[in-house]
Parts: sequence; structure tokens; C-alpha cells
Amino acid sequence: EIVMTQSPATLSVSPGERATLSCRASQSVSINLAWYQQKPGQAPRLLIYGASTRATGVPARFSGNGSGTEFTLTISSLQSEDFAVYYCQQYNNWPLTFGGGTKVEIK
Amino acid sequence: QVQLQQSGPGLVKPSQTLSLTCAISGDNVSSNSAAWNWIRQSPSRGLEWLGKTYYRSKWYSDYAVSVKSRITINPDTSKNQFSLQLHSVTPEDTAVYYCARAYSSSANWFDPWGQGTLVTVSS
Repeated sequence: EIVMTQSPATLSVSPGERATLSCRASQSVSINLAWYQQKPGQAPRLLIYGASTRATGVPARFSGNGSGTEFTLTISSLQSEDFAVYYCQQYNNWPLTFGGGTKVEIK
Repeated sequence: QVQLQQSGPGLVKPSQTLSLTCAISGDNVSSNSAAWNWIRQSPSRGLEWLGKTYYRSKWYSDYAVSVKSRITINPDTSKNQFSLQLHSVTPEDTAVYYCARAYSSSANWFDPWGQGTLVTVSS
């Protein structure tokens, strides 16, 4: 099973600042990686797939990068609605696995 | 626009069967490309993929090893929905359960998700 490790666990950022979240896979997943945003009491929402392709309706301030074992999600200028928990998920190998999440909180 | 609507009880007794249903609108459970999944989330286990059902000229189901001996995921073509049954539950099965669509066999990201159902296993 591929283990997905996200860092940091919590990221404190001021509105308008840039946030960079990391996701590391225990073995290569090529570009078969997705990112999700989850707000309290809601289901996860797909942001990025294929490591860098934004899902429909996702603002351009969200960008994904990486391949192999190292991936990043960047939010270029944090808006109030972006404070949430973010998860990565690999779909290169079965079983599909998720990272433990990074909580982006207001500084 | 695809939407998934979950239903089912929020409280199940230990050793009994957890049963949830996910109704699909905007797509078809018999799609030859999509797969229909169940995922759960708990503080101790995080997000955990449980299994899926999909149609590729015939019906298939795949399950996570951790629950393979006690899980069933079935389609219901007459109602355009699919279901989860998890047998012999214990308190460790307490979690929020989600249904979700995977776009295709080679595109196993999840979009959209159902609204989630908190299932508590307790006597």
C-alpha cells in the first residue's frame, strides 16, 4: 500500500498570502495524484487531478505541481473561503490512498 | 451536473449490518466508464477507500482488503443507485461514510461526493 504523507499538519497563513502544501508518496505514483478541499461538515471537493489539472470551477489561484513522489498544492493568494483542510490522494496503485491532510488556518 | 444523495440509518448496533444507499442523478449507475465508490472518514483512520462497483459489459465489484470479508457493494439499476452493506460491525466502524464517483477506470479521482452519513456503531 502506498503511504501518502502531507506536511505540515497545520499551516497558519494570513489572508492574501501564499500557501504551499506538500504531499509525499512512499513510492512513485507518476502524476496520478488528486487534491481535495474539505470544509467542516462537508464532503471533500475535488480541486486538482493529474497532479496539475484544475477541476471544473476551481479558481486559478489553486495550482498543483509535481510527479513521482513529491507534490505541492499552492494557493497563490488566500481568500477567506480557502481556510479548510486539504487532502492528497494517489490513484496510481490499488488500494487508492489518501494523505492525512493539512489544515490551513487563519494567522 | 452529477449529484449523489445518500440515505440510511445513523446508528447501528455492534455485530449488525450497516446499510447505506447512494442515489445518482445526472449520470447512470450502468455507465461504461464511471465507477461508484464508498469511502469513509474517521479521526483514527482518516479517509479510507472501501470499495466500488462498476459496469463494463458486466458488473464488477472491488473491495479494500481491510473490509473484504464483510462488505458488499451492489448496483440497483431500476432506481439508478448503489448500496453499501458492511456486516458484523464494531465500534471501529464508526465513521462518516461517503459515496463518490470515479470518472473512469484510469481516472480514479473522486468527483462528486455524496453529502456524507455519520454512522455510529453502539449498543
